[in-house]
Amino acid sequence: EPEVTQTPSHQVTQMGQEVILRCVPISNHLYFYWYRQILGQKVEFLVSFYNNEISEKSEIFDDQFSVERPDGSNFTLKIRSTKLEDSAMYFCASSEAGGGYNEQFFGPGTRLTVL
Amino acid sequence: AQSVTQLDSHVSVSEGTPVLLRCNYSSSYSPSLFWYVQHPNKGLQLLLKYTSAATLVKGINGFEAEFKKSETSFHLTKPSAHMSDAAEYFCVVRENSGYSTLTFGKGTMLLVSP
Repeated sequence: EPEVTQTPSHQVTQMGQEVILRCVPISNHLYFYWYRQILGQKVEFLVSFYNNEISEKSEIFDDQFSVERPDGSNFTLKIRSTKLEDSAMYFCASSEAGGGYNEQFFGPGTRLTVL
Repeated sequence: AQSVTQLDSHVSVSEGTPVLLRCNYSSSYSPSLFWYVQHPNKGLQLLLKYTSAATLVKGINGFEAEFKKSETSFHLTKPSAHMSDAAEYFCVVRENSGYSTLTFGKGTMLLVSP
């Protein structure tokens, strides 16, 4: 069964460093998403991406964040200068289509720890 | 605006007994509602979804949920718990307007004892 994969599973970085989190969505999916979950808090939407551009983003997704689909398979989230409060589990998801009825398939997550 | 409240952070049951995980939502538009499950070190897996068809929705692994508009609830149930059901469960709402995003509840950890 096709699945979304994410690498690495755990990333430790120093405050101020740049990190890139990688995702491989399901191959025929067209919509891609990033979510994060700070320990003990809700899963929060960050950004959605379609047709090589951001279609929606939350207030969390400020200028230190960026997303890219550098090739036909990968979808990346970059944090330019990490802060302590960026420590969280980051989930990538993909769906065949947009809209409320379409299931989003989630990856296992990358746990980011900022020291 | 949309929001989700999962009323219990933890639910403990014995194997073979019924499971009830409670969820209330609010939404400005007709919503889609989902339950996702997360086992340790695994991704979020869709259990079931409500998309304005039948109000009683059947999902995988014997789970079902009933959409009650008058109560703004979407509680998840299973008649008989299995040890493998132990996991974290998330109730999720999505307004059916354009590219609307998923809004998650805080999650309910289901503990199943032998």
